[in-house]
Amino acid sequence: GAGVSQSPRYKVAKRGQDVALRCDPISGHVSLFWYQQALGQGPEFLTYFQNEAQLDKSGLPSDRFFAERPEGSVSTLKIQRTQQEDSAVYLCASGQGFSGANVLTFGAGSRLTVL
Amino acid sequence: QKEVEQNSGPLSVPEGAIASLNCTYSDRGSQSFFWYRQYSGKSPELIMSIYSNGDKEDGRFTAQLNKASQYVSLLIRDSQPSDSATYLCAVNGLVDSSYKLIFGSGTRLLVRP
Repeated sequence: GAGVSQSPRYKVAKRGQDVALRCDPISGHVSLFWYQQALGQGPEFLTYFQNEAQLDKSGLPSDRFFAERPEGSVSTLKIQRTQQEDSAVYLCASGQGFSGANVLTFGAGSRLTVL
Repeated sequence: QKEVEQNSGPLSVPEGAIASLNCTYSDRGSQSFFWYRQYSGKSPELIMSIYSNGDKEDGRFTAQLNKASQYVSLLIRDSQPSDSATYLCAVNGLVDSSYKLIFGSGTRLLVRP
């Protein structure tokens, strides 16, 4: 596609519910990242995929967070038993390469509000 | 110490002035540096990348990198009200995770008409 597409754009969940956030990266992009952005803060790294391989999940806050990219394209970030502190914008970004000079394109984000 | 530091602002400048945004980083091994612009409620968009010491110009934007002092800056000449946004500095991570971009918390810029 022309850009990185994320859905849903907005999600309201009751505490304890499970949520799934979807990312459709730019076609052919090897790298895919998930970031979490709290209000007034910069994006914080969550996890990184190179094709279908999850090479780094060091930023996932707890074992309630799980991400997958089974076919090396679409990715899903799942949050189980949501808590209020999970409320944030979840940004997906993709890039053509995988080096430090890789330029990332961000999606519009999924804003999660946990009540 | 946070890995990428930025003054949160807001930095307020009059229309037509030069806006100067600064960023320091802690990892001497960082090789790639980026400036992203983020309008309120929108996603970050890349405006400049810089990889070697010195200045890099693109239109009204100039990025400056000084690896010895571990700082990178962004100058915006002839600032316009449409430049009002949060500017995020991003640096690639340590050698074994150089793919990872680490962001500062951003500087909010306000350009007054």
